[in-house]
Amino acid sequence: DAGVTQSPTHLIKTRGQQVTLRCSPKSGHDTVSWYQQALGQGPQFIFQYYEEEERQRGNFPDRFSGHQFPNYSSELNVNALLLGDSALYLCASSPPARDPGDEQFFGPGTRLTVL
Amino acid sequence: AQSVTQPDIHITVSEGASLELRCNYSYGATPYLFWYVQSPGQGLQLLLKYFSGDTLVQGIKGFEAEFKRSQSSFNLRKPSVHWSDAAEYFCAVGPLLSGSARQLTFGSGTQLTVLP
Repeated sequence: DAGVTQSPTHLIKTRGQQVTLRCSPKSGHDTVSWYQQALGQGPQFIFQYYEEEERQRGNFPDRFSGHQFPNYSSELNVNALLLGDSALYLCASSPPARDPGDEQFFGPGTRLTVL
Repeated sequence: AQSVTQPDIHITVSEGASLELRCNYSYGATPYLFWYVQSPGQGLQLLLKYFSGDTLVQGIKGFEAEFKRSQSSFNLRKPSVHWSDAAEYFCAVGPLLSGSARQLTFGSGTQLTVLP
């Protein structure tokens, strides 16, 4: 079992550009959540996808958007990049809903640097 | 709104010494509580979780945590720290009762340094 995988590992962009980050959930999982972890901070919830729809969203602007595919993999898109978007972006997957406290498995993250 | 406070930004202990990492939460109902560990270049790994029942929870790697409702705390403990425990530790509070999405709110983390 490969666990949660994310690509790319690192990414460097300039202000104003757009970026797409990818996530493949753990086998058997159908829910994907995205978190932003700024340097020295805890992860902050961006949004969550289930059945190809955004189910819940944190306090992030519309520049952050996502998508979930029929195979449950997901993409995070960020438009009009700002310096403050530099962070580690974590993807987490969860199994089919049985209990909201079911463990979320996290990927290693994508380190985004905006220059 | 739910929130988590980890009052210690950085803790240093000697190998073999005991460890306690503090976590306080603010939540409107019985929370789901978690402790995660993050090593450099790694994702978050779940150490333990609390939903209900016994307030002393055992986790992986010899860690345990105690839920104290009266103090709104969920402190992480380990009786004897190993050098490999050096990492960043995050406390998190989980979603509402059944039917809600799994949205975690994390504290800002405690960086643990272990001295030989």
